[in-house]
Amino acid sequence: AQSVTQPDIHITVSEGASLELRCNYSYGATPYLFWYVQSPGQGLQLLLKYFSGDTLVQGIKGFEAEFKRSQSSFNLRKPSVHWSDAAEYFCAVGAPGTYKYIFGTGTRLKVLA
Amino acid sequence: DAGVTQSPTHLIKTRGQQVTLRCSPKSGHDTVSWYQQALGQGPQFIFQYYEEEERQRGNFPDRFSGHQFPNYSSELNVNALLLGDSALYLCASSPTGGVEKLFFGSGTQLSVL
Repeated sequence: AQSVTQPDIHITVSEGASLELRCNYSYGATPYLFWYVQSPGQGLQLLLKYFSGDTLVQGIKGFEAEFKRSQSSFNLRKPSVHWSDAAEYFCAVGAPGTYKYIFGTGTRLKVLA
Repeated sequence: DAGVTQSPTHLIKTRGQQVTLRCSPKSGHDTVSWYQQALGQGPQFIFQYYEEEERQRGNFPDRFSGHQFPNYSSELNVNALLLGDSALYLCASSPTGGVEKLFFGSGTQLSVL
């Protein structure tokens, strides 16, 4: 069965520091992979997605993610975090040929001034 | 261009009641998916509608039902509400065959007392 694991429930970083949020997935082949951000009481905003090709993908707001097939991982990174990045981040898997996404439980990011 | 719009934004019901949530998809999108996001959890797939038919369903009881109209808008109905149905209900739309092009609305926050 497909699954997504985000091992870190909470992460706190200082403004200007680098960030890496972890995501591991379980799927028989290479799925579609996504990172979403959610501010309190809001819907989900797509940060970036991976379907195939170059394993390093660039997204909005200065985020990037790297797909590593051997580790079944799709970690999200940002070189310098801004206070406005404080939010909850969700990794999701979408299996080609199906019509649903499977989400991880999220990582809540706190940014210290 | 309006994105995915959901109504109402907040709703309070009591146990045993019935509720209807509404969603208008993004312009050009004909497929609507519904997700339930409980507090502290990632969104979980409820079902997807395409061509006015339920195309795929997640692990939700029959108390959860839906409908899609000819203009592609959709409703989510929940009967016999339980306390555990309290959650943020997210609607997402996509173009035909575009599971990789999901756009989310801001959600309806349902509280069951």
